[in-house]
Amino acid sequence: DAGVTQSPTHLIKTRGQHVTLRCSPISGHKSVSWYQQVLGQGPQFIFQYYEKEERGRGNFPDRFSARQFPNYSSELNVNALLLGDSALYLCASSRQLPNYGYTFGSGTRLTVV
Amino acid sequence: EDQVTQSPEALRLQEGESSSLNCSYTVSGLRGLFWYRQDPGKGPEFLFTLYSAGEEKEKERLKATLTKKESFLHITAPKPEDSATYLCAVLVGEYGNKLVFGAGTILRVKS
Repeated sequence: DAGVTQSPTHLIKTRGQHVTLRCSPISGHKSVSWYQQVLGQGPQFIFQYYEKEERGRGNFPDRFSARQFPNYSSELNVNALLLGDSALYLCASSRQLPNYGYTFGSGTRLTVV
Repeated sequence: EDQVTQSPEALRLQEGESSSLNCSYTVSGLRGLFWYRQDPGKGPEFLFTLYSAGEEKEKERLKATLTKKESFLHITAPKPEDSATYLCAVLVGEYGNKLVFGAGTILRVKS
């Protein structure tokens, strides 16, 4: 079975631009979560979706949004990019809630210049 | 506020020199405690889940333990390939859907 797949792997954007990151969960997994990891820190929770419904949101501004599609894949959108948005964005999937069986993807490295 | 603190921030060991990493936590409703290993530029790789105080789990040279306020990751006779960042996280939230991570411990094992 393929693991959690994220695209793109690397991305460079300019301040003020918009970005869309994509995640395909493990087959059979209905829950997708997004985390932001700034260099030297642990991942921070951004969003969690289960069965296409938002079930949790972290302490991030409204510039961050996400959605989950009928095939359980997910997109994370960030508007009006700031230099501080530069980070590794991680997607994690699990079969059900509670998320006892989280599996992370390799992430998307976003650099904002 | 849910909080996880890991110590030390960095640890250098000689090959074969055993040691322990600490993870202390303050949470309102613990659903589980996770240990992950993360290599540079990669996503976290699952190691262990602990659910209740007194629980222990082992995998190769690693052993994780849990008390009511902290968890330890014991590394016995480490090898250079054990070098990585070790992350501790607690599972919280109404739906058990949110991981709160510590900043991690960077482990370097020299041969």
